[in-house]
Amino acid sequence: AQKITQTQPGMFVQEKEAVTLDCTYDTSDQSYGLFWYKQPSSGEMIFLIYQGSYDEQNATEGRYSLNFQKARKSANLVISASQLGDSAMYFCAMREGFTSGTYKYIFGTGTRLKVLA
Amino acid sequence: DAGVTQSPTHLIKTRGQHVTLRCSPISGHKSVSWYQQVLGQGPQFIFQYYEKEERGRGNFPDRFSARQFPNYSSELNVNALLLGDSALYLCASSTTGTLSNQPQHFGDGTRLSIL
Repeated sequence: AQKITQTQPGMFVQEKEAVTLDCTYDTSDQSYGLFWYKQPSSGEMIFLIYQGSYDEQNATEGRYSLNFQKARKSANLVISASQLGDSAMYFCAMREGFTSGTYKYIFGTGTRLKVLA
Repeated sequence: DAGVTQSPTHLIKTRGQHVTLRCSPISGHKSVSWYQQVLGQGPQFIFQYYEKEERGRGNFPDRFSARQFPNYSSELNVNALLLGDSALYLCASSTTGTLSNQPQHFGDGTRLSIL
């Protein structure tokens, strides 16, 4: 079973509008971390935002916010005021294994976002 | 400060050969992880090392091995290369690797092509 599911292979958004990229996860660990990364066409992986499983507040970093719904096991990324430079592949990832001591980082299949002028 | 550096940037090998990829973490980072990213897919976790010990392993065959050195740099070794090993190999470092809120910082990767 997929541990990280990103159901939107591709998304379009108009410049200056907000967009939500979906991510659901599956884990039996109580302690885990959720991350979003951006991968432009140049290939580098850029860390955007982090949400811990015990964090009660949704994480925010500039124009990025993470809509964390623990009971639904979802961690959606919201990008406000989209810019042309936001066009990239976006990956949701989960870090688990803190109970067992055997750590794993699991990435989703990604969502390709295209911002339209 | 320098980011995560990987070498070489590109590599071409033939089936059956062996390859060693190298990674230097960000200064002060003690944890290194390796990932394989096949074109069009998300990165697949291979290994995590912290303080020279293996702390995590993904579902990869024993042909894949790694180690971490006292200066926290790391090598990924792949034996008996197969065509399916063609991919971008990413190295990522984090400060300790033992806390869930540690973001990983990625290098630019090594693009491995198997002929």
